[in-house]
Amino acid sequence: SQQGEEDPQALSIQEGENATMNCSYKTSINNLQWYRQNSGRGLVHLILIRSNEREKHSGRLRVTLDTSKKSSSLLITASRAADTASYFCATNSGGSNYKLTFGKGTLLTVNP
Amino acid sequence: EAGVAQSPRYKIIEKRQSVAFWCNPISGHATLYWYQQILGQGPKLLIQFQNNGVVDDSQLPKDRFSAERLKGVDSTLKIQPAKLEDSAVYLCASSLTSEQETQYFGPGTRLLVL
Repeated sequence: SQQGEEDPQALSIQEGENATMNCSYKTSINNLQWYRQNSGRGLVHLILIRSNEREKHSGRLRVTLDTSKKSSSLLITASRAADTASYFCATNSGGSNYKLTFGKGTLLTVNP
Repeated sequence: EAGVAQSPRYKIIEKRQSVAFWCNPISGHATLYWYQQILGQGPKLLIQFQNNGVVDDSQLPKDRFSAERLKGVDSTLKIQPAKLEDSAVYLCASSLTSEQETQYFGPGTRLLVL
């Protein structure tokens, strides 16, 4: 079953604008991760935020985590056409196997 | 550093036929994962290996799917017999250990069952 649910399902913006994607999940987590998937390719790890962290930055990426609301957001600033991809949140609930459970993803289109 | 390798990249078969996918993880990575990604959805974990042992196969349809990692390095996922609903991308990923939280994904094998 899918743990995370991304919102919106699809997002279309112009180059230079900011893009915000949200993820909600159901059970307690050890950490939450965001991955990017370009069309026809595998997933690439972007950023990880732990359950005791509230915000994290990496280059043009900013991730927030609100464990009380069981939600996270991914902000991409100054978007580029090359950012066009699907973005997935994945939750890690810890346990013995550190399994990742992925959401359905947000398809981001950045128009030049 | 070479990434996760998968082959074939594409496969078209008819229902009830058999198919096998191969994955070679990043060198030294002890943990290997197989995911199924149906169009429009996120990846779903099918099976997780730690070296040559199975850690989690709770979502693997064991009546038709099997996987092995005999020497703790590369792995094979098999479907026998295939059904129409098996059409998906099969992704292989690896991590240094099961505790290492970042997973590295291969390009995937796109399977179409007719």
